[in-house]
Amino acid sequence: DAKTTQPPSMDCAEGRAANLPCNHSTISGNEYVYWYRQIHSQGPQYIIHGLKNNETNEMASLIITEDRKSSTLILPHATLRDTAVYYCIASNYGGSQGNLIFGKGTKLSVKP
Amino acid sequence: GAVVSQHPSWVICKSGTSVKIECRSLDFQATTMFWYRQFPKQSLMLMATSNEGSKATYEQGVEKDKFLINHASLTLSTLTVTSAHPEDSSFYICSAPSGGLNNSPLHFGNGTRLTVT
Repeated sequence: DAKTTQPPSMDCAEGRAANLPCNHSTISGNEYVYWYRQIHSQGPQYIIHGLKNNETNEMASLIITEDRKSSTLILPHATLRDTAVYYCIASNYGGSQGNLIFGKGTKLSVKP
Repeated sequence: GAVVSQHPSWVICKSGTSVKIECRSLDFQATTMFWYRQFPKQSLMLMATSNEGSKATYEQGVEKDKFLINHASLTLSTLTVTSAHPEDSSFYICSAPSGGLNNSPLHFGNGTRLTVT
């Protein structure tokens, strides 16, 4: 799996959009970009994943650059409950193989 | 959405005893489940892969005789920490892929906080 790089921490005001960046410059053509988050003392929660195209679901949007070397997770209207560690993972067998490499992630603090 | 249920959510046991943790896929079948461990202020590390109807595969450095895994049905995997010691105190989390595609995401249980005294 390709290595990913994320800022260690970010702050966001409640109600504003949270934009979390991720660099994955060595990503291969068949690797997807997955985003998970882990709220304190809970198991990780799947957010979204994509290959080339931008993706959107009820939780977030994923913007992948054309060269696929970086991506941005967007939480459109952050709430206090979105405070968590967010993990960006590049993997071609994200689910079936299980060995997702969780780095240190970005600790997002949403402030009132 | 896919739900993975883990039980218990926390357990305290004495050194030398064994503890069983259950992981269930509630609304889907999982031929494969994964067990992770997370020490304080560290990230998740894969311990083992649980395969329904066959032996589990363990990551390097994880003792298979200490961490017994049983995947007896398509919806249940159990992890038994045998002869637990204080250094086994950790946050144990199971997960399973919900879709049939190779790129299907993992869904995680809420974890079990094990404290060995």
